[in-house]
Amino acid sequence: GQNIDQPTEMTATEGAIVQINCTYQTSGFNGLFWYQQHAGEAPTFLSYNVLDGLEEKGRFSSFLSRSKGYSYLLLKELQMKDSASYLCAVRDSNYQLIWGAGTKLIIKP
Amino acid sequence: IAGITQAPTSQILAAGRRMTLRCTQDMRHNAMYWYRQDLGLGLRLIHYSNTAGTTGKGEVPDGYSVSRANTDDFPLTLASAVPSQTSVYFCASSAGIGSGANVLTFGAGSRLTVL
Repeated sequence: GQNIDQPTEMTATEGAIVQINCTYQTSGFNGLFWYQQHAGEAPTFLSYNVLDGLEEKGRFSSFLSRSKGYSYLLLKELQMKDSASYLCAVRDSNYQLIWGAGTKLIIKP
Repeated sequence: IAGITQAPTSQILAAGRRMTLRCTQDMRHNAMYWYRQDLGLGLRLIHYSNTAGTTGKGEVPDGYSVSRANTDDFPLTLASAVPSQTSVYFCASSAGIGSGANVLTFGAGSRLTVL
């Protein structure tokens, strides 16, 4: 079966750095996405990786290793507004998105 | 503001009743999707449409139907609601399918409670 694993919850301190990991086992691979979802709101797109390596976008970076079935989202200089759930999703060989359950990130002052 | 509009925002429904969740987008996106989101689970695809006039079944299609008469609208119908359909429903769209980022844009969600 297809599976996306990410930690259920993480806690970090304002101003610090946090890394949210995602491992996947899917039928084929056509890209990996990270979305942010604030409580009670819709998911919004953060990043897309299709080749191995690091993609940097401001305070957020996303890394992919296809051979290891592994990605991480790195958030730097954490702000209180970064408190949200972070969803990892993989597009499989049929171009359908398989979603992880999300990682709830709690930022403490 | 361009985006996706869902209605209703929230609804409490008696089991056995018929319910249609509405979804309209103004971005001229070809592909549209309906997901349900339940605590502890990832988003699960119910139905999708790659272009107007076509629809397909996702991971959890039973008990739901959709139609895509035009580019903008993609309603989701529960013919006879059951308590297990209590969930938050998200409509989403993307410019296309296949390779490339094809980022999803989501609506604000419809919270449905079936009693």
